[in-house]
Amino acid sequence: DIQMTQSPSSLSASVGDRVTITCRASRSISNYLNWYQQKPGQAPKLLIYAASSLQSGVPSRFSGSGSGTDFTLAISSLQPEDFAIYYCQQTYSVPSPSFGGGTKVEIK
Amino acid sequence: EVQLVESGGGLVQPGRSLRLSCAASGFTFVDYAMHWVRQAPGKGLEWVSGISWNSGSIGYADSVKGRFTISRDNAQNSLYLQVNSLTTEDTALYYCAKDTYIAVTGGGGAFDVWGQGTMVTVSS
Repeated sequence: DIQMTQSPSSLSASVGDRVTITCRASRSISNYLNWYQQKPGQAPKLLIYAASSLQSGVPSRFSGSGSGTDFTLAISSLQPEDFAIYYCQQTYSVPSPSFGGGTKVEIK
Repeated sequence: EVQLVESGGGLVQPGRSLRLSCAASGFTFVDYAMHWVRQAPGKGLEWVSGISWNSGSIGYADSVKGRFTISRDNAQNSLYLQVNSLTTEDTALYYCAKDTYIAVTGGGGAFDVWGQGTMVTVSS
């Protein structure tokens, strides 16, 4: 099984800050990496697919990069509505996709 | 409107069974693979099971293999999860999610539509 490790597990940031979250796969997953956002009491929402493609309707301040084993989600200017938990997911090892442990973005 | 609505959760004793359902609308259900993902209270996301468009390919997480069975009825636009031999470790919110791909094999894909979940609580 492919293990997905996110870092940090939590971070505090201010509105307007640039935020980066990293996700590392236990072995190469090409670009089969997705990012999700989950707010309290809500279902996860797809933000980025195939490592760097922005899902329709997602603000352009979100971006993804990476390939192989190391990936990054960046938020260029953090907005109040961006405080949430972010998860990465690999879909290389199918039919057994797996999620990272999550990164909680909190208000500083 | 594209929508997934789960049902069938509840409070159940250890060792018992439940059948979870997911009703899909607003998209051509038969064109996509579907998945179940669960989230224990205060914990992260755990993929549970996935099924290809024609039920020809199915996968399960090791934690549920042999106890859970995924199925779909394309005529009814519905996804199901039969959960047997429940333990307290299965207590979670169970989400139904739509894949962007037709199959669960071959790599790639993402979960672009999610339901609001149905809660399963296993307790004596």
